[in-house]
Amino acid sequence: QVQLQESGPGLVKPSQTLSLTCTVSGASVSSGNYYWNWIRQSAGKGLEWIGRSYTNGVASYSPSLRSRVTISLDTSKNQFSLNLNSVTAADTAVYYCMSEPPGLWGQGTLVTVSS
Amino acid sequence: QVVVTQEPSLTVSPGETVTLTCGSNTGDVTIRHYPYWFQQKPGQAPRTVIYDTDNKQSWTPARFSGSLLGGKAALTLSGAQPEDEAEYYCLLYIAGGRVLGGGTKLTVL
Repeated sequence: QVQLQESGPGLVKPSQTLSLTCTVSGASVSSGNYYWNWIRQSAGKGLEWIGRSYTNGVASYSPSLRSRVTISLDTSKNQFSLNLNSVTAADTAVYYCMSEPPGLWGQGTLVTVSS
Repeated sequence: QVVVTQEPSLTVSPGETVTLTCGSNTGDVTIRHYPYWFQQKPGQAPRTVIYDTDNKQSWTPARFSGSLLGGKAALTLSGAQPEDEAEYYCLLYIAGGRVLGGGTKLTVL
């Protein structure tokens, strides 16, 4: 059974880069027919899809975040990562990683953007 | 701009059947949109109840089913239970990426 676990700083200063990692167990991030997603949720709001990477490292992003986001694979650690630059308070949210198929989620990690 | 549309809220009586739908402003939803349905309860992470239109997770109760209906993806709950009260989100593959719907707040009352 695939399991995912997010990790990273819980506090990021405005204008800096938010960096999160999702550690995968039970599957290889670089093989198989998997997509590795990042999704976020601001307090009291709905879910927002950020982007995803296929196992070959090719990524796709939400048009609204494309200019600031990078999702990449670290095959040596069996992880995939999210980098979101030039953050503002609007990027404060719980960030989730998710594998597809079949849609297995991490427990989420809260990132607050504040000075 | 791609928009995925869900009913903002629905109410169902215990034991009754309710269908949630998920549409796109780009046209009919098909299996090529690989629809997912997520359930989220307050204070919890979402979890997937249906993936790729009609596939269930190991934990998905039999009363949940996914389908295509009238050009939309549909999640049908047959015999609603109080524990099914939650927010439900759909996810579609459109134009090379994924797009989430705004969610349906399902009340079992």
